[in-house]
Amino acid sequence: GIQVEQSPPDLILQEGANSTLRCNFSDSVNNLQWFHQNPWGQLINLFYIPSGTKQNGRLSATTVATERYSLLYISSSQTTDSGVYFCAVSDRISGTYKYIFGTGTRLKVLA
Amino acid sequence: NAGVMQNPRHLVRRRGQEARLRCSPMKGHSHVYWYRQLPEEGLKFMVYLQKENIIDESGMPKERFSAEFPKEGPSILRIQQVVRGDSAAYFCASTQGNTEAFFGQGTRLTVV
Repeated sequence: GIQVEQSPPDLILQEGANSTLRCNFSDSVNNLQWFHQNPWGQLINLFYIPSGTKQNGRLSATTVATERYSLLYISSSQTTDSGVYFCAVSDRISGTYKYIFGTGTRLKVLA
Repeated sequence: NAGVMQNPRHLVRRRGQEARLRCSPMKGHSHVYWYRQLPEEGLKFMVYLQKENIIDESGMPKERFSAEFPKEGPSILRIQQVVRGDSAAYFCASTQGNTEAFFGQGTRLTVV
């Protein structure tokens, strides 16, 4: 099945810093989403982005489907950005719509 | 417009008991997915269902685990004869089909 790799696995930032999180996937995808899992375990939808670029406040994301990667940009980070960021994809091959998750990037933003 | 609703939020079971986890999809969604998250790990796909049909159960353990999504009512993930290793967070997601997935708040199962 499709493989999803995220980097870096861990990231520590000072408040106000910028960061880029990467998601690589091994095959063609139908869909791609970025999620933030907050310290209370809740999964929050950040972007639904099978291709192209989107922006929402301090966050933006770009997916280059032909090169099989997606990037999540966080600018002017805040302590509330702490948590785990997951990339999830659904592939074209299996014929189902299930999402496969990467292992995540654990972000800690220091005040 | 309520989101994906899971209950209970927390469930404690003794070893050997049964656990039943419920998931009501978002209004208008007919595709339901169950995932398991062990502590400090990512989400692992378990099963994908549409009304009255299991579409993909490739991530489901072969024994003790079952899932259903009846014509009426929520989807149920059932774990029989629970063991300590079943302790995890179980998340449910729903979609309209090949679209954006929305997740519930999860059920945290603790087996004592």
